[in-house]
Amino acid sequence: EVQLVESGGGLAQPGRSLRLSCVASGFNFDDHAMHWVRQAPGKGLEWVSGISWTGGQTGYVNSVRGRFTISRDNSKNALYLQMNSLTTEDTALYYCARDIFRSVTTVDYWGQGTLVTVSS
Amino acid sequence: QSALTQPASVSGSPGQPITISCTGTSSDVGNFNLVSWYQQHPGRAPKLIISEVTKRSSGVSHRFSGSKSGNTASLTISGLQADDEADYYCCSYVGGRTFVVFGGGTQLTVI
Repeated sequence: EVQLVESGGGLAQPGRSLRLSCVASGFNFDDHAMHWVRQAPGKGLEWVSGISWTGGQTGYVNSVRGRFTISRDNSKNALYLQMNSLTTEDTALYYCARDIFRSVTTVDYWGQGTLVTVSS
Repeated sequence: QSALTQPASVSGSPGQPITISCTGTSSDVGNFNLVSWYQQHPGRAPKLIISEVTKRSSGVSHRFSGSKSGNTASLTISGLQADDEADYYCCSYVGGRTFVVFGGGTQLTVI
C-alpha cells in the first residue's frame, strides 16, 4: 500500500522558514517523480513544486520560485520542501504526492497533508 | 502560467449524467495528452480518477469518463450517485519551468 506521511508544518512568522518532510513507503520511491501541492483554507488545489526521480529536474509555481527548494533523498525514501521568506499567502495544507511516472507529469497518490500557518 | 478554467459549480439529480469542463490553452491542455482529474470529498485528500485524458484509475467506477477536444478537457459522470457529491479538479502538464497546473475546481451537488 502506498503511504506518504508529511511532517514539519506549524506556525511561522512572516519572513521565517520552515522545512517540510515526507516519508514514502509501499512502492519503489526512486522510480517516481514527486510533488508538493497545497490547498489554502476553503480554496482549491495549487501545484507548488515537483522533482524528477533522480532529482535532476525541478519545477516551481511562479509565486514560490526563488523562495522554496524541493529536494529528495532516495536512500531515505524522503521528499523535502525548504520554505524561506514565508508570507501569509503561503498558509495552506501542504500535500506530498507521488507521480505516476519518473518525470513530473501527473499526481496519483496523495498524503494527508501538513498544515502551514504563516502569521505574526 | 494561469490556472485552468472550470465552472465553479454544477448540479444534477441521481441517475442523470453531468459533464465538467476544463479549459486551458494550446500550451497546456491542447498540447499534451496529460490531463488528469481528481475527486475530493470534504476533509479528505484528493483522489485520482482519470489520468492521461481518458484512463480510469484502478477501482474507479466506469461511470466516470474523460475526453478532450482542442484546449478543453471534460469529465463526464453518468448515472449520478449521492456519493459523487464532491469537489472535482482538473490538472494538466504544461512543461517549461512550471510543470503542472490545476483548475480552480468544481463543486458537484447531487440534488
